[in-house]
Amino acid sequence: GAVVSQHPSWVICKSGTSVKIECRSLDFQATTMFWYRQFPKQSLMLMATSNEGSKATYEQGVEKDKFLINHASLTLSTLTVTSAHPEDSSFYICSARPGGATEAFFGQGTRLTVV
Amino acid sequence: AQSVSQHNHHVILSEAASLELGCNYSYGGTVNLFWYVQYPGQHLQLLLKYFSGDPLVKGIKGFEAEFIKSKFSFNLRKPSVQWSDTAEYFCAVLNTGTASKLTFGTGTRLQVTL
Repeated sequence: GAVVSQHPSWVICKSGTSVKIECRSLDFQATTMFWYRQFPKQSLMLMATSNEGSKATYEQGVEKDKFLINHASLTLSTLTVTSAHPEDSSFYICSARPGGATEAFFGQGTRLTVV
Repeated sequence: AQSVSQHNHHVILSEAASLELGCNYSYGGTVNLFWYVQYPGQHLQLLLKYFSGDPLVKGIKGFEAEFIKSKFSFNLRKPSVQWSDTAEYFCAVLNTGTASKLTFGTGTRLQVTL
């Protein structure tokens, strides 16, 4: 089956620093990638949708200057949390969808803790 | 805007008991429906999906779900749960419009006791 890999699985950073999370589709080309945020005991909230080679589309309420998304190739998308604050601590999950498909495949998630 | 409701937040069952998890969605157009499972410490995995055709879909590990269009529901069922089914279950809806995106329910934590 299709595999999506996220790196790192967990990261701790100091307040004010930036953190980059990578999402790779290992055995397929992902024309579309999605970034979600999951708070404890809550659902996955879609943050943004990125299509290869174009700017990401952010959901309402998500600060695009804070959560920078780059989808430079068909197998890699990155999410950079800039000037992280403790309230940004969360579980971030990416998913990738092959071209022409309706099903997306999920990465294992990244737990970010900002101290 | 579409939304997904999962009314059962935490379910505790004994092994061999039957399971039914509710999922209702609100969206007027054509939708694709999914159930995902997240085992402790693991990533989301697809259990089953409905795109069209037979409204009763069968997935992996003995799970099935029934799409009832008139009720906007897509409930997940399993006749006899196992301890290994302990996990978080998410219902999700994908609208098939131009801005297609996957919307998740809040999830149901299933705990199966021996």
